[in-house]
Amino acid sequence: GAVVSQHPSRVICKSGTSVKIECRSLDFQATTMFWYRQFPKKSLMLMATSNEGSKATYEQGVEKDKFLINHASLTLSTLTVTSAHPEDSSFYICSALGSGTKTQYFGPGTRLLVL
Amino acid sequence: KQEVTQIPAALSVPEGENLVLNCSFTDSAIYNLQWFRQDPGKGLTSLLLIQSSQREQTSGRLNASLDKSSGRSTLYIAASQPGDSATYLCAVSLYGNNRLAFGKGNQVVVIP
Repeated sequence: GAVVSQHPSRVICKSGTSVKIECRSLDFQATTMFWYRQFPKKSLMLMATSNEGSKATYEQGVEKDKFLINHASLTLSTLTVTSAHPEDSSFYICSALGSGTKTQYFGPGTRLLVL
Repeated sequence: KQEVTQIPAALSVPEGENLVLNCSFTDSAIYNLQWFRQDPGKGLTSLLLIQSSQREQTSGRLNASLDKSSGRSTLYIAASQPGDSATYLCAVSLYGNNRLAFGKGNQVVVIP
């Protein structure tokens, strides 16, 4: 149990386009999901906390208009990188908080490359 | 602000040796501490979770200890194998806050 999926696993896009990444909790409901970004050989940096049915809470320094988060259901959160630039190229990982627990279950990550 | 530090950043050991990975954190008001494994280009696999009231957790060859008052945790991997080669990440969760603060990881190579 407690499986989290991400789609797509890899995406290459042109500069200026928008890319949507999905995060799904497959066998449990998650009122809270988290989005992280990881640069090569660096740790995970929390970007935002996504709560079902409400606006996401962004960490300091993360542009909310650049990284749009939608958590429309208890099993799905999406991250849209708008007007992507090469510096947005990174590994994006989501996690989902199990209901009634403090445990975060992580997705397999999405590799974004912006040309 | 919670700062999590992992030492050493990278290490190589011959197969069969025991691994000792260290994690320290600046704010001792944590809810729990987790150790994760990450293979290159992959997501995170949770290895061990220690609640703040616990001193250690064990799973197979892995043992993690927690000294909350001194802000330290250690992950021991006994009799290392080449398949243990990966990056090991330490993360702490603060009370009243589900957010995790991660260290930069210990990159481990086990030499056959």
